[in-house]
Parts: sequence; C-alpha cells; structure tokens
Amino acid sequence: EDKVVQSPLSLVVHEGDTVTLNCSYEVTNFRSLLWYKQEKKAPTFLFMLTSSGIEKKSGRLSSILDKKELFSILNITATQTGDSAVYLCAAPWSAGGTSYGKLTFGQGTILTVHP
Amino acid sequence: GAGVSQSPRYKVAKRGQDVALRCDPISGHVSLFWYQQALGQGPEFLTYFQNEAQLDKSGLPSDRFFAERPEGSVSTLKIQRTQQEDSAVYLCASSLSGSTRVYEQYFGPGTRLTVT
Repeated sequence: EDKVVQSPLSLVVHEGDTVTLNCSYEVTNFRSLLWYKQEKKAPTFLFMLTSSGIEKKSGRLSSILDKKELFSILNITATQTGDSAVYLCAAPWSAGGTSYGKLTFGQGTILTVHP
Repeated sequence: GAGVSQSPRYKVAKRGQDVALRCDPISGHVSLFWYQQALGQGPEFLTYFQNEAQLDKSGLPSDRFFAERPEGSVSTLKIQRTQQEDSAVYLCASSLSGSTRVYEQYFGPGTRLTVT
C-alpha cells in the first residue's frame, strides 16, 4: 500500500522566517510527487516533481525531490501571513503502466505565520 | 474561468438519513475524483470516473456509498443511512486526461457533512 508521511504536523513561525516542510514516501511504481496548498477547503496545486535533484520554483516557494532517499521538501522563504495554510504532499497511484491520477495524500503540515 | 463547484457547501444530516452531494467539474475535464477528508487528515481517495465510466471505486468505505456521473460531466456522491463516522469534508476534483495533466487536479471547495 502506498504511503506518504509529512513532517512536521504543524509549524508556527513569524513573518520573514524561512520554513522547510518535509514529505517522505513509499510508493510502488513511483511516477511523481505533488504539493498542494489548502486554505479553507479546496487544495490548490503548487508543484509536480518527477525528476530527482531538479528544483521547481514559484516566487518564494521552491521544492525538490530526492528519488534515492524517497523524500521531497517544500521551502518557503520570507514567509507572509498569507502563507498560513495546510500544505499537502501526494503521490499518484500507478500499476502495470496505468496511472490515472488517483492520489495518496500525506496528513498535511499546518503552517501558521504570525505577523 | 469557472472552477470546480460543489453543493451544498454544508450539510447536517441526522443519523440514518440519506444525503446526495453534487460536483460540477471544470468543463472539458475527463477525469473526476471524489475524496473524503476527515478533520486533521489529508484527503483520502474514494472513487474515480473517466467520462461517465466509474473505473475505480476501491476507496468507497462501504456499500452505503454510491457515486455516479451519468453524462460524463456532473457527478453525485450518495451516502445512504448516514453514520456519525461519515462526518467529513467531501472533496471533488477534476483534471484533463493525458500522462501528466491528469495529475494536476483542480479541487472544489468541498461539502462539509456533519452527521448528528
């Protein structure tokens, strides 16, 4: 059974701090790892990582994958109160060459950024 | 453009009642997923549709849960004889088909179901 584990479960920082969120995975037939940001209700897509060692970047957010050690990190620099959210990591299920997007999610990291 | 919409946003049901949750995916999205998210947990897969075909229902927790997408667009998740353990947020997501686009799932705001 595919497994995705995130740490820490919660994190409280002040504006301007840099944070690193962790995601480790045990996935049969690994294809990719995804990061989502969940505010209020709907998770919104951040990154998809397929290749080891290649950093994906969007503004103050960046993420990298290590396929050898089976983990990914999400970095947020110069945090702002608007970054407060639950950050979810997920891996798509795959079997016999078939993958249609069924995702296994981690339990999420709750990030709180104080002014 | 319009995103994924779900209705109702909140539903309170008495134990034993039947409920129906609706999802309107993004127009043209072939793939549709339902997830269940308990408080403090990540979403858990329930079922998957490709157009009108339900190709995977392995995550449905019991035979009280039923989902359909008869015309390949709007989907309904029905829960019969609701139990307290069914209380959760039910998320719907849609995506385009294709080897990588299918992973970019766009989520609706969810329906928070509370069973009393």
